[in-house]
Amino acid sequence: SQQGEEDPQALSIQEGENATMNCSYKTSINNLQWYRQNSGRGLVHLILIRSNEREKHSGRLRVTLDTSKKSSSLLITASRAADTASYFCATSRGGFKTIFGAGTRLFVKA
Amino acid sequence: EAEVAQSPRYKITEKSQAVAFWCDPISGHATLYWYRQILGQGPELLVQFQDESVVDDSQLPKDRFSAERLKGVDSTLKIQPAELGDSAMYLCASSLVHVGKGEETQYFGPGTRLLVL
Repeated sequence: SQQGEEDPQALSIQEGENATMNCSYKTSINNLQWYRQNSGRGLVHLILIRSNEREKHSGRLRVTLDTSKKSSSLLITASRAADTASYFCATSRGGFKTIFGAGTRLFVKA
Repeated sequence: EAEVAQSPRYKITEKSQAVAFWCDPISGHATLYWYRQILGQGPELLVQFQDESVVDDSQLPKDRFSAERLKGVDSTLKIQPAELGDSAMYLCASSLVHVGKGEETQYFGPGTRLLVL
């Protein structure tokens, strides 16, 4: 079973627009991570946010975490064609395995 | 930059045959993971090693899958016999931090795409 559920399943935007993806989970967590996967390749770690953090930035990425709602969002600003990929949230509870969601497929049109 | 290595990148086999995948984690990473990813889904953990010991293989179909990490470095995942439903991407990942110690950023290899005919 997968704890993280991403929304939307797919997203298509124009280059330069912002892309927002959401992740909901069911149980308490120690941290939440976002990964990117280009077609047919392995996953690349983007950002980790701990359960006691509410917001984190990394370049054009902004992640928020609301533990009361058990949800997180990933915002990619000023998107580029190279951002086209699948994005996965992954939750872990320290001592338990990391569980990945089904992912959001982002397509950025040039 | 250090990377996780996997081979082969692609494997086509017939059902009932045996297949094996190899993974070499980033040097110094104590934790090694094998995931299976079905097209359109997220990775699902098959087995997790801490050094040479298995810490989680609850989702590993043990009647046909086996995994080992004999010297606590590289690892092999085997399927025997392969079934049609095993067609998927098999991803290996490693992490520096021990299980349960907090941040567990995982570094993934490029994966092995398996097609069972």
